[in-house]
Amino acid sequence: GAVVSQHPSWVICKSGTSVKIECRSLDFQATTMFWYRQFPKQSLMLMATSNEGSKATYEQGVEKDKFLINHASLTLSTLTVTSAHPEDSSFYICSARQGNYGYTFGSGTRLTVV
Amino acid sequence: DAKTTQPPSMDCAEGRAANLPCNHSTISGNEYVYWYRQIHSQGPQYIIHGLKNNETNEMASLIITEDRKSSTLILPHATLRDTAVYYCIVRVGRSSGSARQLTFGSGTQLTVLP
Repeated sequence: GAVVSQHPSWVICKSGTSVKIECRSLDFQATTMFWYRQFPKQSLMLMATSNEGSKATYEQGVEKDKFLINHASLTLSTLTVTSAHPEDSSFYICSARQGNYGYTFGSGTRLTVV
Repeated sequence: DAKTTQPPSMDCAEGRAANLPCNHSTISGNEYVYWYRQIHSQGPQYIIHGLKNNETNEMASLIITEDRKSSTLILPHATLRDTAVYYCIVRVGRSSGSARQLTFGSGTQLTVLP
């Protein structure tokens, strides 16, 4: 079946630094990937849609200059949290669609900013 | 995408069937019902989906009412590892253009008790 690999699974960084999260589709090509954020005891909230070879589409209220998305190939999308602050601490999850129906999710990245 | 309503939490005894309801009274004719689950601190996992016929796979069964305004996910023999948040999502199965994201509601926290 379709597998999406997300790395790292957890990261702790200092306030003001940047963190990059990778999302790879291992056995299929994904022209579109999605990035979600999940705060404790809340549901997943879509942050942005990542399109291969073009600019990402961000949801309202998500700062594009803070959450940089790069989708340079059909199997890799990256999310960089720039100048991280404690309020950016969250669980970040990527997703890719295979075919017309299947959505596969990464295992998530727990970001803690101290 | 049609809005869904799920109970916030349910308990189930280990070994018994878990029946998780979902209301989607505004569902359109071309919208599918998808079920995903999220085990704590992991990415969501696909369970099953259907349009109007009942569906069964190795994980679960999906029962959709004849008017399609509600559905029930059935885990026939729940185990402790089935403890998770279960999300019912309604959306079109074949997008007209580029891929569209899955929108998550608050889901149902299923707790399987020993």
